[in-house]
Amino acid sequence: QVQLQESGPGLVKPSETLSLTCTVSGDSISGYYWTWIRQPPGKGLEWIGYTLYSGGTNYNPSLQSRVTISLDTSKNQISLKLSSVTAADTAVYYCARSRVPDYWGQGTPVTVSS
Amino acid sequence: EIVLTQSPGTLSLSPGERATLSCRASQSVSNNHLAWYQQKPGQAPRRLIYGASSSDTGIPDRFSGSGSGTDFTLTISRLEPEDFAVYYCQQYGSSPYTFGRGTKLEIK
Repeated sequence: QVQLQESGPGLVKPSETLSLTCTVSGDSISGYYWTWIRQPPGKGLEWIGYTLYSGGTNYNPSLQSRVTISLDTSKNQISLKLSSVTAADTAVYYCARSRVPDYWGQGTPVTVSS
Repeated sequence: EIVLTQSPGTLSLSPGERATLSCRASQSVSNNHLAWYQQKPGQAPRRLIYGASSSDTGIPDRFSGSGSGTDFTLTISRLEPEDFAVYYCQQYGSSPYTFGRGTKLEIK
């Protein structure tokens, strides 16, 4: 059974960089697409982007200048970095397997506030 | 960018009734690459349907997806108490992948 667990700071200051890690257990991250999605409080889902194990990426144009998704195959982890954050980046952040997510992490809440 | 419009925003029904949820795209979804997800409070979404009509493993057969082009439908044939949740559609035919705003299915 594949399991995903997001981790990272729950509070980030405005203008700083949000950094999250997703640790995958039960399967290797090699051979799959890995996606990040976020959900602002009380709102719907927003697709952030995905990466393929081979290194290719595809980002939401609305975030492209600020976002980086990468893999660490030695640790079986996927990372998300979002720079220059503002309050609008406050959300629950989910990592998920596949371009059309079938397995999801439980999500980690991130608040952007000074 | 493809905009997905879900209707209704809220659907009030009773257990045992049939639910029909709509997802309309602003332009044709390539290869009918449309998925449906269910989300309950405090939980991550769960994928129900992909490819517009293919059901995921373990999803009860009362859930079915249909449609093509710009009009898609999720049907729940007979509502069970555990089906009351928010449902989202997502297109993955063209980038950026986009979600609808969701339909909240509530108990009447």
